[in-house]
Amino acid sequence: QVQQQQWGAGLLKPSETLSLTCAVFDGSFSGYYWSWFRQSPGKGLEWIGEIDHSGFTNYNPSLMSRVTISVDTSKTQFSLKVTSVTAADTAIYYCARGDLASPVDYWGQGTLVTVSS
Amino acid sequence: EIVLTQSPATLSLSPGERVTLSCGASQGVSSNYLAWYQQKPGLAPRLLMYEASIRATGIPDRFSGSGSGTDFTLTITRLEPEDFAVYYCQQYGSSPLTFGGGTKVEIK
Repeated sequence: QVQQQQWGAGLLKPSETLSLTCAVFDGSFSGYYWSWFRQSPGKGLEWIGEIDHSGFTNYNPSLMSRVTISVDTSKTQFSLKVTSVTAADTAIYYCARGDLASPVDYWGQGTLVTVSS
Repeated sequence: EIVLTQSPATLSLSPGERVTLSCGASQGVSSNYLAWYQQKPGLAPRLLMYEASIRATGIPDRFSGSGSGTDFTLTITRLEPEDFAVYYCQQYGSSPLTFGGGTKVEIK
């Protein structure tokens, strides 16, 4: 059973940078791609991007100009940064195991991020 | 980008009924990499089916999936009280990964 725990700031002002981290607590970290998703009432479920243990990334073109996903294999953690946030970035953000060619079989608990002045 | 369209948006049903949910893709889904998820309020989605017709670990056999190319369905043969939720389809064969808008199965 994969255990994931995510954390980060939940309230941001417009133009600030969203920063979230997800820790993976089992021995499977190096064998998989790890993704970030978000879910909002207006846009539904949206894939943000993915990373593997070596740092190879793949991003959703709709967000890639503002998104960076990074990995720290020594801590079995991966992180998300989204710059210049607006109200449209208000959503529940999930870390998850899943990628191109693999369904999402484990999800983090989700973090509500609200962007408001 | 592959756009997934789910229908209907909402279904009002009673426990014990059979339900069929539809997911249509704007172009063929590579390798039938189509998954279905169930989501309940306040929780993350839960994987039900992958590769269109394979049940995920621990999913009861009242759930089944079918389809290929651009048309997919999820069937629940007899609705149990715990099955009332929102169901999403997702394609993971082409980048970017995309989801349908969801079908809410509510108690009639």
